[in-house]
Amino acid sequence: KNQVEQSPQSLIILEGKNCTLQCNYTVSPFSNLRWYKQDTGRGPVSLTIMTFSENTKSNGRYTATLDADTKQSSLHITASQLSDSASYICVVSDRGSTLGRLYFGRGTQLTVWP
Amino acid sequence: EADIYQTPRYLVIGTGKKITLECSQTMGHDKMYWYQQDPGMELHLIHYSYGVNSTEKGDLSSESTVSRIRTEHFPLTLESARPSHTSQYLCASSEPLDSSAAQYFGPGTRLLVL
Repeated sequence: KNQVEQSPQSLIILEGKNCTLQCNYTVSPFSNLRWYKQDTGRGPVSLTIMTFSENTKSNGRYTATLDADTKQSSLHITASQLSDSASYICVVSDRGSTLGRLYFGRGTQLTVWP
Repeated sequence: EADIYQTPRYLVIGTGKKITLECSQTMGHDKMYWYQQDPGMELHLIHYSYGVNSTEKGDLSSESTVSRIRTEHFPLTLESARPSHTSQYLCASSEPLDSSAAQYFGPGTRLLVL
């Protein structure tokens, strides 16, 4: 069964600190993996996309890594800001259909305190 | 900021009422989607469309129906709302030719059925 598991479920950090969010997946065949940020009361917004051949990708203070062999990804946030408080969702796409079916994790709820 | 809009943002209605959740996008995307999201849970695809006059059911069984008469408009209808329909409904769209394209999400409609 194709699944996406994220950890931790929730995380509280102080402003200025770094943190790393984890995503493990069993989706096969694999096409790509995206990290989305979902602010409270808003829809998700794409942060990064990684394909099979990519190991790391950065978007400002966000750096995503991918290990396609172990089927693990991480999202590292550097020098956190209050505006980073949100749910971070890992989404994996397969190559099984033209739709590029998406498998969603439940998200990690990050809270940044001043 | 994605040009995809949903109305209403919040809706409280009584059991048995008919409701329509509106979704519109100005990006000219052919692919559109409806997701259902409960707190702390993953997004579940309930409907999608490849273009005008194309609608398909998603992974999660839903009593709702959709229509796609115009490219930019993808409304979702519940003929008789029940408390089990209480949830957040997210609309999204994406580029048609690239299966790895990001989905752009609207802000969501939070529905409460009493």
